Amino acid sequence: GDSVTQMEGPVTLSEEAFLTINCTYTATGYPSLFWYVQYPGEGLQLLLKATKADDKGSNKGFEATYRKETTSFHLEKGSVQVSDSAVYFCALSAGNTGKLIFGQGTTLQVKP
Amino acid sequence: EPEVTQTPSHQVTQMGQEVILRCVPISNHLYFYWYRQILGQKVEFLVSFYNNEISEKSEIFDDQFSVERPDGSNFTLKIRSTKLEDSAMYFCASSYGGGGRSTDTQYFGPGTRLTVL
Repeated sequence: GDSVTQMEGPVTLSEEAFLTINCTYTATGYPSLFWYVQYPGEGLQLLLKATKADDKGSNKGFEATYRKETTSFHLEKGSVQVSDSAVYFCALSAGNTGKLIFGQGTTLQVKP
Repeated sequence: EPEVTQTPSHQVTQMGQEVILRCVPISNHLYFYWYRQILGQKVEFLVSFYNNEISEKSEIFDDQFSVERPDGSNFTLKIRSTKLEDSAMYFCASSYGGGGRSTDTQYFGPGTRLTVL
């Protein structure tokens, strides 16, 4: 069945460092891909999305490109801030009902 | 900006008791979902609801679970007889879904933390 695999966390970076969080997927058909972020004590917020191959989603300095050939959707940010500390979830939208299938989440901790 | 709301934020119950978790989706949205996240684990799909009926459910969503849209604004998840393993954060989500388009962005509520003792 469809699945999403994310790199293991936690990821600890210093402020202004470059961030990459790897995400790969397995799916039949052509899913939409998403990154959601969960700040401490809060729900899930959509960070960015891409709906077809080679699309690049971007928001708040974060980017991810839908790579069909490598079945990947890696999240990147050029310069992280302490306020980016959160759990990041990669997800795909599957089937006729649009249900989301999530990866296990990657905790990012940014230190000043 | 419209948002999905959920009540209560935290529910504590005894094993075997019934609980109802409530959600108010964004008003013009047509697709509704419940997900759960057991502490430290991934977010899991439970059920989707469209056009006043369940459109898909996962293996987790057994006969102990039910969903309802009782009044055109609320969307509820009922667990008939709670078990210890039902302890989790439960998230409601909704998407616009105009024209039956299920792939619209899902907007999540803040969650209800259910603790079963």
